[in-house]
Amino acid sequence: SQTIHQWPATLVQPVGSPLSLECTVEGTSNPNLYWYRQAAGRGLQLLFYSVGIGQISSEVPQNLSASRPQDRQFILSSKKLLLSDSGFYLCAWSVRYQGAATSGSASSYNEQFFGPGTRLTVL
Amino acid sequence: AQKVTQAQTEISVVEKEDVTLDCVYETRDTTYYLFWYKQPPSGELVFLIRRNSFDEQNEISGRYSWNFQKSTSSFNFTITASQVVDSAVYFCALSEPFLRNSLRGSNYKLTFGKGTLLTVNP
Repeated sequence: SQTIHQWPATLVQPVGSPLSLECTVEGTSNPNLYWYRQAAGRGLQLLFYSVGIGQISSEVPQNLSASRPQDRQFILSSKKLLLSDSGFYLCAWSVRYQGAATSGSASSYNEQFFGPGTRLTVL
Repeated sequence: AQKVTQAQTEISVVEKEDVTLDCVYETRDTTYYLFWYKQPPSGELVFLIRRNSFDEQNEISGRYSWNFQKSTSSFNFTITASQVVDSAVYFCALSEPFLRNSLRGSNYKLTFGKGTLLTVNP
């Protein structure tokens, strides 16, 4: 079975310090990977997604960056944290679609499965 | 642009009551997928259901049921005989392909609603 890990679980960092959050997936190959942030108010904001090693797409311009050094590893980073970077960071994976589409087959490539999250507080 | 609206910010019920969580979506895609996720106090999002746009059959899973109506762009979620353990934030989500009009098929990202906080009181 597939599992997704995130660490650390909680983090308190001063403004201006660097950040590195890590996410790893086990039990699957070639996944799509995603980083979300959930700020106060509960909405989930997609930050980055990746369809392969070294391939990163950014959804919103911000103080963060992402990297995918290995197939099942996804890292969220910042050189200098801002107060507004505080929030709950969730990593997710989904099966990567790589074949011809039919009305039924594409459906299984949609669900995203989430990790336990990292709660970041910037002071 | 994709949009998911969960108009109910918070709902509070007493145990054993039935409760319906509303979800309305907007998309220009003819093929799309809708989802419900549960976020308990621990924070992790738990996948509950996927529904594709060409299957409007309602689905029931135990105390959970989902009503998909394409004509009104709604995908509502009902919990029957609610329990305290159902207390959580519930998110509705809509798929959006990474690459539109790709002849090789698509991978998808999700647009989430803002969530509904359900509190079930004993």
